[in-house]
Amino acid sequence: GAVVSQHPSWVICKSGTSVKIECRSLDFQATTMFWYRQFPKQSLMLMATSNEGSKATYEQGVEKDKFLINHASLTLSTLTVTSAHPEDSSFYICSAHPPGSYNEQFFGPGTRLTVL
Amino acid sequence: GDSVTQMEGPVTLSEEAFLTINCTYTATGYPSLFWYVQYPGEGLQLLLKATKADDKGSNKGFEATYRKETTSFHLEKGSVQVSDSAVYFCALATGGGNKLTFGTGTQLKVEL
Repeated sequence: GAVVSQHPSWVICKSGTSVKIECRSLDFQATTMFWYRQFPKQSLMLMATSNEGSKATYEQGVEKDKFLINHASLTLSTLTVTSAHPEDSSFYICSAHPPGSYNEQFFGPGTRLTVL
Repeated sequence: GDSVTQMEGPVTLSEEAFLTINCTYTATGYPSLFWYVQYPGEGLQLLLKATKADDKGSNKGFEATYRKETTSFHLEKGSVQVSDSAVYFCALATGGGNKLTFGTGTQLKVEL
């Protein structure tokens, strides 16, 4: 149980376009999901906490208008990178917190974004 | 604030060697501790966890013991395999369902 999927697994886009990444909890409902960004050979940086039915909570230094997060249902959160630029190229990972799993998060497989 | 410190890598070992990856933490309250593993090109997978002092988490031959007195959660495996080559992240969480604080990760390379 506790499977989290992401789509797409990789995406290449042109500079200036927007890209949407989906994160789904497949076998549980998640009121809270998290979005991370990972640079090559570095640790995960928490970008924001996505709360179902309310606005996301962004970490300091993360641009809200750049990285739009929507948690439309208990099984789906989306991250939209708007007006993408090459410096937005990164590995984006989501995670979800199943009810009853104290402090435990389950991670999606990640999405590799390359902006040309 | 909370923080996690891991030994720097890469760590290169021969197959069947003993593995230790050190992890120490600072946290307010009583954190839960985790080891996650990331294989190339993939997301993170939970390897093991411990939620209170003296708990030992174990999985796939890996073990780690929650040591409150030394604020440590070192990862060990008695005999590594080539398939264990990955990046290992130590992490902590405080409270219920709160965000994780990760260490910088330690890359393990196991050679024949």
